[in-house]
Amino acid sequence: SQQGEEDPQALSIQEGENATMNCSYKTSINNLQWYRQNSGRGLVHLILIRSNEREKHSGRLRVTLDTSKKSSSLLITASRAADTASYFCATDWGFKTIFGAGTRLFVKA
Amino acid sequence: AAGVIQSPRHLIKEKRETATLKCYPIPRHDTVYWYQQGPGQDPQFLISFYEKMQSDKGSIPDRFSAQQFSDYHSELNMSSLELGDSALYFCASSLKASGSWRDEQFFGPGTRLTVL
Repeated sequence: SQQGEEDPQALSIQEGENATMNCSYKTSINNLQWYRQNSGRGLVHLILIRSNEREKHSGRLRVTLDTSKKSSSLLITASRAADTASYFCATDWGFKTIFGAGTRLFVKA
Repeated sequence: AAGVIQSPRHLIKEKRETATLKCYPIPRHDTVYWYQQGPGQDPQFLISFYEKMQSDKGSIPDRFSAQQFSDYHSELNMSSLELGDSALYFCASSLKASGSWRDEQFFGPGTRLTVL
C-alpha cells in the first residue's frame, strides 16, 4: 500500500456488536475519508473528516482523527449483516488521494 | 441525483493492445481522479485533473496517459497493455470547497479491464 497500515486486516463479529477499524498514514493531510466497498463493486463514501477536526459522527458511524499520531479510527456501532464489506481510509493532500490497505469486516447474523 | 458515469463497464483486450476508458464526472464537479484496483488490492491513485489541467500524478505507468476535455469528461488511454494491467479502474469526481479543502470524492462504478 502507498499509505500506512490499516488494522485489523480482517475482523469478524456478531450482529449487534461494535466494530472498530484503525488507519495510520505517513504524510501530511488536508482530509481523511472513509469508504466502504462490497466485493468487486464501487467505493461508497462514508465520511470525511478534515485535518482540523478531531471527531465526526454520521448515523452509526463515528470517526476520530489524531493528526499528532497520524491515525484515524472508524467505529460502526450496532453492526448489521449488511455492514459486511471492506472498509478503506484515504488521505488527501492537494489533489492526490492515498488509500490504505483496507479492513475486511464480516458481520455474522 | 446524477452520479459519476464510466464507460465501458467491462473491457477485454489482448496483450499489446490499446484501451480507452471514459469518465463523466458529476455536473459542476471541477476535479477528476483516476484509480487502479488490482484483485484484493487497495485502490492506487493514478492521476487527477483540476479544471481540465493535470493536478497531480501517482503511480501511473508511462504507457498510460489521461486528459480532461472542455466538457469536463476525462479519458484514460492505456497502450501496450500487459497482463498486469487487468484491474478495476475507478474514476471519481469532487468539488473544491475553499482554500486547500476539497469535498468528498464520489466514485463511479468502475471499468473492469481484463487483458488476455
